Amino acid sequence: GAVVSQHPSWVICKSGTSVKIECRSLDFQATTMFWYRQFPKQSLMLMATSNEGSKATYEQGVEKDKFLINHASLTLSTLTVTSAHPEDSSFYICSAGGLAGAGEQFFGPGTRLTVL
Amino acid sequence: KQEVTQIPAALSVPEGENLVLNCSFTDSAIYNLQWFRQDPGKGLTSLLLIQSSQREQTSGRLNASLDKSSGRSTLYIAASQPGDSATYLCAVKVQAGTALIFGKGTTLSVSS
Repeated sequence: GAVVSQHPSWVICKSGTSVKIECRSLDFQATTMFWYRQFPKQSLMLMATSNEGSKATYEQGVEKDKFLINHASLTLSTLTVTSAHPEDSSFYICSAGGLAGAGEQFFGPGTRLTVL
Repeated sequence: KQEVTQIPAALSVPEGENLVLNCSFTDSAIYNLQWFRQDPGKGLTSLLLIQSSQREQTSGRLNASLDKSSGRSTLYIAASQPGDSATYLCAVKVQAGTALIFGKGTTLSVSS
């Protein structure tokens, strides 16, 4: 299957700082990328959908000014958590789809964010 | 709005047992359905993808079925092993290009 990478795999930051998470499709072009958040023992909740070259579409309840998404190329999307607070601590997972086969979505390994 | 439910939430079985995990979705108009495995603190591993026109998919000891009209899918695991212990997630895609909608998962524990 296609490979999606995320960087960093984990990050610890102080409250009030901003954190950028990168999501890359390594061997295919992803017209669409999705960002999910997963709290402990919970399922994945979709945060936003990003399409290359256009603004992201955010799910209800997700603050677009807090979670900045940029999808500047067909292989890279970034999620920036601005002015992070402890309640933003979570597991963030990106997913890519599009040109790669039959509507299958491929997931990155996730980024564990801890805000102190 | 599409909702995905997985039953049971947790399951413990001895090694060697065959088992079935259940997934149901409220709207039968789906594009495809995927089953994933997630180990603690890790990302998702795709197990099986079933297109809306398909009835089942098989990979090794895993078999997933899809009954779109009744809004159900099952994941059958044959001859379970301790290494199968993980959380299994079911997810549906409503339309091409849209995001997967996930159930809450079934946490499986296989004892040796």
